[in-house]
Amino acid sequence: AQRVTQPEKLLSVFKGAPVELKCNYSYSGSPELFWYVQYSRQRLQLLLRHISRESIKGFTADLNKGETSFHLKKPFAQEEDSAMYYCALRGMNRDDKIIFGKGTRLHILP
Amino acid sequence: DAGVIQSPRHEVTEMGQEVTLRCKPISGHDYLFWYRQTMMRGLELLIYFNNNVPIDDSGMPEDRFSAKMPNASFSTLKIQPSEPRDSAVYFCASSSGLTSSYEQYFGPGTRLTVT
Repeated sequence: AQRVTQPEKLLSVFKGAPVELKCNYSYSGSPELFWYVQYSRQRLQLLLRHISRESIKGFTADLNKGETSFHLKKPFAQEEDSAMYYCALRGMNRDDKIIFGKGTRLHILP
Repeated sequence: DAGVIQSPRHEVTEMGQEVTLRCKPISGHDYLFWYRQTMMRGLELLIYFNNNVPIDDSGMPEDRFSAKMPNASFSTLKIQPSEPRDSAVYFCASSSGLTSSYEQYFGPGTRLTVT
């Protein structure tokens, strides 16, 4: 069964400290992984996807197939990073739907 | 493009009343999704359409919920009768099946409160 697990509901990090938002998944095959972000009073939006292998707003995420993880990382947290973060998975079949984790609220402390 | 448009933005209703949420996807997108967001359960997919046809409604909680997409530019999610446990933020999202990434574009959401 497809499943996305974000073990932390809330993560508080001091400004300037490293950030790691955990995401583990369950999927038999090669899924596509995403991180979506929802800033206060803004729409949920795509932050990054694993196939792009890009860094967005200083965030990176590496797909680790051995550990079935897709953790989101940033070396130095900024106050504007405070938001709700969702890890998501989509299978490779045309009609596969995206499965979202329950989300982690990141709170950057001054 | 204004992006995905949802109305109303806020809805307060009494238990037992019918509630209709509306969504206009981004022009040209052929997938439309309805999600429900709560503190307890996070973001749950309720139903999604491809080319106006419902593909997967396994996330619809019960028969009180129904969704339609009469044309490519409009969809509704109806709850009848509504109950307090339906209180949540309901998001509509759309995507284009032509892109390899299937990135979803979300609307601003409708915050529903059932008293």
